[in-house]
Amino acid sequence: AQRVTQPEKLLSVFKGAPVELKCNYSYSGSPELFWYVQYSRQRLQLLLRHISRESIKGFTADLNKGETSFHLKKPFAQEEDSAMYYCALLRGSTLGRLYFGRGTQLTVWP
Amino acid sequence: GAGVSQSPSNKVTEKGKDVELRCDPISGHTALYWYRQSLGQGLEFLIYFQGNSAPDKSGLPSDRFSAERTGGSVSTLTIQRTQQEDSAVYLCASSLFSHNYEQYFGPGTRLTVT
Repeated sequence: AQRVTQPEKLLSVFKGAPVELKCNYSYSGSPELFWYVQYSRQRLQLLLRHISRESIKGFTADLNKGETSFHLKKPFAQEEDSAMYYCALLRGSTLGRLYFGRGTQLTVWP
Repeated sequence: GAGVSQSPSNKVTEKGKDVELRCDPISGHTALYWYRQSLGQGLEFLIYFQGNSAPDKSGLPSDRFSAERTGGSVSTLTIQRTQQEDSAVYLCASSLFSHNYEQYFGPGTRLTVT
């Protein structure tokens, strides 16, 4: 069963436009959610996690338990934001193991 | 400091052959993970080691896949009798501890089974 859903495989926006990458999860317990990013020819790396409630590179993500969502947002996209973004879920019952979505390839046009 | 390293970076093998993929985690990290990244499938969990505890092997797709971690450090993922569907990028990650600690990923090994 797909526990993390990223409905958009590809997303394109112009520089300066707002961007939202969607993520929905399936888990009845208390989830811990993450966004990982993979820039071209680089390693997968953590972008942000919901418990930190921080903004990284202008990105924020709010956990909405009612809608079981953890969408990633940035008000003004930059060209350097172009990358593959993965939403990931950590379930309390399976310590350490991350459940990843299938990823969204974001392209920011100049 | 050095990050997670993996070797080889690329491996081409013939169907039916065995392959071994190696992962060197960040020194001091107690948790080590293997994932598989296939086109269109995203990242699929394979196996996870935490300290001296029994590994979580629940993600291994078949009994042709096995992994070990020696001395709490280096890990080897072995695929026996490779099949074409095993072609993927195999990623290793490590974290200081398991729960809720950032996982640091290696560059991956691209496996192609011909």
